[in-house]
Amino acid sequence: AQKITQTQPGMFVQEKEAVTLDCTYDTSDPSYGLFWYKQPSSGEMIFLIYQGSYDQQNATEGRYSLNFQKARKSANLVISASQLGDSAMYFCAMRESNQAGTALIFGKGTTLSVSS
Amino acid sequence: SQTIHQWPATLVQPVGSPLSLECTVEGTSNPNLYWYRQAAGRGLQLLFYSVGIGQISSEVPQNLSASRPQDRQFILSSKKLLLSDSGFYLCACLNRQGGISNYGYTFGSGTRLTVV
Repeated sequence: AQKITQTQPGMFVQEKEAVTLDCTYDTSDPSYGLFWYKQPSSGEMIFLIYQGSYDQQNATEGRYSLNFQKARKSANLVISASQLGDSAMYFCAMRESNQAGTALIFGKGTTLSVSS
Repeated sequence: SQTIHQWPATLVQPVGSPLSLECTVEGTSNPNLYWYRQAAGRGLQLLFYSVGIGQISSEVPQNLSASRPQDRQFILSSKKLLLSDSGFYLCACLNRQGGISNYGYTFGSGTRLTVV
């Protein structure tokens, strides 16, 4: 079974608008971490934001915020005031505390296109 | 902070030829190391991880192998490449001292492999 599901292959948004990228996850581990990474066309993986399963508040990092709904097992990324430079592929990932090697498991990604 | 050096950046290899991709880490000791592969327009698939010298775990059986001859060196190899081995290969590192709340994953810049 897929552990990380990103149902939006592509999203389109205009500059200065907010956009939400969806992510749902599946785990029975009470202790886990959720991550979002940005991958521009160059291929590098850029860390955006992290949410721990025990964190009471939603994580925020500048224009990025994570809408964490634990009961629904969702961890959506919200980008406020989109910029042209936000055009990239975005990956949701999870690390479980009992995951061998503490590896990150990734979703299939969402391609975000920002237009002027 | 951790830095990952990964080379080469791009590689074009004929079917049946051998492969060796190298990843070295600076700025940390005894890291967990990972090899991921990303097929065109797809998510990241975990191939191998290593928690120490000589310790390799394979997540997906395939035409590839990995080795960790030194603490900060992780090598991905193949004896005979297949067309399906084409993709973008990323090396990643986690500082082993990090707890579940430590989001200290660092990625290399990747190798784009095309098998022809």
